[in-house]
Amino acid sequence: NAGVTQTPKFQVLKTGQSMTLQCAQDMNHEYMSWYRQDPGMGLRLIHYSVGAGITDQGEVPNGYNVSRSTTEDFPLRLLSAAPSQTSVYFCASMPGQAIGPQHFGDGTRLSIL
Amino acid sequence: KQEVTQIPAALSVPEGENLVLNCSFTDSAIYNLQWFRQDPGKGLTSLLLIQSSQREQTSGRLNASLDKSSGRSTLYIAASQPGDSATYLCAVKDFGNEKLTFGTGTRLTIIP
Repeated sequence: NAGVTQTPKFQVLKTGQSMTLQCAQDMNHEYMSWYRQDPGMGLRLIHYSVGAGITDQGEVPNGYNVSRSTTEDFPLRLLSAAPSQTSVYFCASMPGQAIGPQHFGDGTRLSIL
Repeated sequence: KQEVTQIPAALSVPEGENLVLNCSFTDSAIYNLQWFRQDPGKGLTSLLLIQSSQREQTSGRLNASLDKSSGRSTLYIAASQPGDSATYLCAVKDFGNEKLTFGTGTRLTIIP
């Protein structure tokens, strides 16, 4: 019963480095999304996808790229890490047409020095 | 722009008590509302999902209500247990909008 799997769980980067946060789900969900969680600000949507080959921007997309080549995978790329991107990142998925609850991964804790 | 508020930010109650957590939202044209639980260092676990046409949902000791006209939802926890200690988040999904708008949560501590 894997659900939504995120890797890595922790990462420390230097300013300017790039990296990819991985997200995979095994529930055949159409919708996938990335959120960041910062103290006092709640979770904010970065990017989302309504199906393979389709992605769109959320509330705070700058500095991040995504792609959706398969139903299962939705990686998030940091192009040039900045200290403001220090956060906890969550990947989520849900069935199409928002007919069911969102399922979240355990998060990736990212620190940018 | 939808805004979701949860008050109080933190709550401590003795074990065994019934309690209510509050969530308010500014735009009543919502598609659904979801309550989540988040344990320290963990992701979010969905507790209850209420569609806009529903008034409440129940799961075990949990009952969530929705009043769209007043922009409010409550999560009722009966006979609280120490294992209920966690942060509880509500989130709304608006019509025509793919994102969830989250509140900042209520950190609940059940005192044994």
